[in-house]
Amino acid sequence: AQTVTQSQPEMSVQEAETVTLSCTYDTSESNYYLFWYKQPPSRQMILVIRQEAYKQQNATENRFSVNFQKAAKSFSLKISDSQLGDTAMYFCAFMITGGTSYGKLTFGQGTILTVHP
Amino acid sequence: DVKVTQSSRYLVKRTGEKVFLECVQDMDHENMFWYRQDPGLGLRLIYFSYDVKMKEKGDIPEGYSVSREKKERFSLILESASTNQTSMYLCASSFAYRFGEDFGEGSWLTVV
Repeated sequence: AQTVTQSQPEMSVQEAETVTLSCTYDTSESNYYLFWYKQPPSRQMILVIRQEAYKQQNATENRFSVNFQKAAKSFSLKISDSQLGDTAMYFCAFMITGGTSYGKLTFGQGTILTVHP
Repeated sequence: DVKVTQSSRYLVKRTGEKVFLECVQDMDHENMFWYRQDPGLGLRLIYFSYDVKMKEKGDIPEGYSVSREKKERFSLILESASTNQTSMYLCASSFAYRFGEDFGEGSWLTVV
């Protein structure tokens, strides 16, 4: 079974600064995807960034980037130039890409990020 | 944009009632999923479906069932609601080989 752990229940950052959210996972699979989802107060889950496990290059989407350390099973999210609209719950998620479990997401517990003006 | 619509945003039901949560997606996605979200536990998968009339148990299927009679609609059924099923329920959908799901806005269910 796969597990995803987010050890930071809450984080805060000042507007325009950089913050890093941590995520570790445990799996014996070799083919998988990792995701970060954002859930603002409206509760609409939004996909922020996606990383394929076979790619060594870290994914980047504008101000969002990841630090993917496959051997350490670590997948952190860095948010640069934080904005008030980044205030949300952030979930790390894992998906196996083969067999009968493909397409199923396993989520971490979530980290509440608050951006202060 | 993909739209995943959950028809009921807020529901209050009594213990023992049968509850239906409906989810409709408009992008011809093959896969559909039901999760529940609880504080400190993240999202947990209840049931999922890869095609019409197909269903697979997720991590916490006990006390729930699902129905997928049409490709665009995936219903979650609580046969006899209990207070421990008070939660937020999220529906999601995706194409078969595109990884990353699109979510609905969630349904808050309170069982009293």
